[in-house]
Amino acid sequence: NAGVMQNPRHLVRRRGQEARLRCSPMKGHSHVYWYRQLPEEGLKFMVYLQKENIIDESGMPKERFSAEFPKEGPSILRIQQVVRGDSAAYFCASSPTLLTEGAFFGQGTRLTVV
Amino acid sequence: KQEVTQIPAALSVPEGENLVLNCSFTDSAIYNLQWFRQDPGKGLTSLLLIQSSQREQTSGRLNASLDKSSGRSTLYIAASQPGDSATYLCAVSQGGSEKLVFGKGTKLTVNP
Repeated sequence: NAGVMQNPRHLVRRRGQEARLRCSPMKGHSHVYWYRQLPEEGLKFMVYLQKENIIDESGMPKERFSAEFPKEGPSILRIQQVVRGDSAAYFCASSPTLLTEGAFFGQGTRLTVV
Repeated sequence: KQEVTQIPAALSVPEGENLVLNCSFTDSAIYNLQWFRQDPGKGLTSLLLIQSSQREQTSGRLNASLDKSSGRSTLYIAASQPGDSATYLCAVSQGGSEKLVFGKGTKLTVNP
C-alpha cells in the first residue's frame, strides 16, 4: 500500500506563472487535506476535500488558489499568477475516516517562485 | 480559536538521554492529538495518535501522554539516538472539524 504520493517534489515557477501540485491519497482514503508550511512557520490548514466536493476551504487564500479532487485522478492544488510569497512547502494528507485513524502525509512539494 | 504551543523550540542532548517534549493546546475540546516527526526537507511521519478518550500511547521507545482537561501532551523518548534528530510536531483535531492545528515544533538534536 503506497503512501500519499505528491508530485512534483520540487517546482520552480517565475512570478505570474501557474503552479499545479498533485496529490494521490493512500488507497482506500477518501479524505484529502492540503497544508502549507512557510519558512520558519508551522503547518497551516488550507483545504479539505472529498471526492468531487470541497468540504472546508477556510484556510485558502481568497484569490489565485483553488483545489479539486475529481472522481478519477489525483487531487490538484492550483496557484495562479504565483508571487514570491507563495514560496513554501505544500503538503497533502489523506485519511480513511473522520480522523479516527489519523492523517497520513505525503513528502510535500517545495514551490520556489523566482 | 485553537492554538498549539510546543516547548522547547529546540533541544540538544547527548546520546542515551531520556527526554520529554511538551505540547499544549488552548481548547480542550479536541478529537485527537497526533505526534509527527519531520526530517529536513522531508514530509511528516506519523509517530503516535491519541484519541481524546485515551491517556497515552506507546510505540517502541516513544510514549505519548494526553491530559485533555489541562490541555497538555508530552512525548517521551527513551534512550535517545542520533537517528532521533528531527523536528517533532504536535497537532490536534477539533471535534466537528477536519482541520489539524499544528504547533511550530521542537527541533531535536541528539549528539553522538
